[in-house]
Amino acid sequence: GENVEQHPSTLSVQEGDSAVIKCTYSDSASNYFPWYKQELGKGPQLIIDIRSNVGEKKDQRIAVTLNKTAKHFSLHITETQPEDSAVYFCAASTLYTGANSKLTFGKGITLSVRP
Amino acid sequence: NAGVTQTPKFQVLKTGQSMTLQCAQDMNHEYMSWYRQDPGMGLRLIHYSVGAGITDQGEVPNGYNVSRSTTEDFPLRLLSAAPSQTSVYFCASRMGLAEYNEQFFGPGTRLTVL
Repeated sequence: GENVEQHPSTLSVQEGDSAVIKCTYSDSASNYFPWYKQELGKGPQLIIDIRSNVGEKKDQRIAVTLNKTAKHFSLHITETQPEDSAVYFCAASTLYTGANSKLTFGKGITLSVRP
Repeated sequence: NAGVTQTPKFQVLKTGQSMTLQCAQDMNHEYMSWYRQDPGMGLRLIHYSVGAGITDQGEVPNGYNVSRSTTEDFPLRLLSAAPSQTSVYFCASRMGLAEYNEQFFGPGTRLTVL
């Protein structure tokens, strides 16, 4: 099955700096890669996603890049703010023939933005 | 819309007790699922449902039962709680079966089994 690795496990940046979180996946058939943000005491929330036919996607201060050859994708946050402090999960989805896809999540990374 | 709601928010059980974690969504989503979140383990799929009357196992189904009698509700039952089931449980739903439909998560239930 799919295996999603996320690294580093923790990341601390100064407010205003950029943060980059990387994930690798194992199944070359995976074709959908969402990123979730989980604030303390809340459920994960989708912040951006990318499909395998696209190399990069941007939404204001966040962007995701995908390298299918190397099987890795990254979340980029520019001009970080204290409210960006949270746990971030990457995920990958593989379509199973005749059934429904299932998301495989990475273990999460805790991002801390220092004021 | 309330989105995805879960009750209770916190629960403490003794080993061997049974209980049901409730999940409801008011978005008319076909797909619903249950995850558990453990430190350093990410989110792992327990069970999922693609519509009323249809359920299937995920990655870690042992010790849990589910049913889907209506589109709105997807309860998770612990038959005989064990300390290994201490975790935070999230219910999620999405419109349609395709993976690229946004998945909405509930606020979670923190369960402790003594």
